[in-house]
Amino acid sequence: AQKITQTQPGMFVQEKEAVTLDCTYDTSDQSYGLFWYKQPSSGEMIFLIYQGSYDEQNATEGRYSLNFQKARKSANLVISASQLGDSAMYFCAMREGGARQLTFGSGTQLTVLP
Amino acid sequence: KAGVTQTPRYLIKTRGQQVTLSCSPISGHRSVSWYQQTPGQGLQFLFEYFSETQRNKGNFPGRFSGRQFSNSRSEMNVSTLELGDSALYLCASSPGGVREQFFGPGTRLTVL
Repeated sequence: AQKITQTQPGMFVQEKEAVTLDCTYDTSDQSYGLFWYKQPSSGEMIFLIYQGSYDEQNATEGRYSLNFQKARKSANLVISASQLGDSAMYFCAMREGGARQLTFGSGTQLTVLP
Repeated sequence: KAGVTQTPRYLIKTRGQQVTLSCSPISGHRSVSWYQQTPGQGLQFLFEYFSETQRNKGNFPGRFSGRQFSNSRSEMNVSTLELGDSALYLCASSPGGVREQFFGPGTRLTVL
């Protein structure tokens, strides 16, 4: 079974609107971390936001927020007030238990339209 | 603080050759992880080093190896290159805990 599932290969959003990128995960560990990264065409992976499994509040970082629904095992990324520079590939990732490595989803290509 | 640096940024090799990629982590970070990114397989974990010791290894053949030096810089080596090794190789550093990893710009390897 896929550990991280991103069901939207591509998404379009109008500039200044909000957009939600979906991510569901699968783990039997009680302790885990969920991450979102942005990858522009240049290739570098840019860290956006982190949510720990024991965090009771949804994480927020500027225009980014993570809609964490533990029972549903979902960790959707919400980008508010989209900007043209937000056009990129977005990856959801998970670190399970004490593991050091990240497991990534297949990514969502976001295109912001002017 | 300077970010993660990777050299070279681009590399072209032929089948059968070997290649060495280098990664310098953020100052003070002792953990370095390597990932391979291909269109078909996505992002896959190769290995992780901490204080010069390999702590984790992904499901890759023995042709893929790495090491870490006392200054935390890391190298990965791929021997007997195959066409399927063409990929973006990403290095990530972290202080050593279980929070976020910070990635470098990657080395794009093309095997002809």
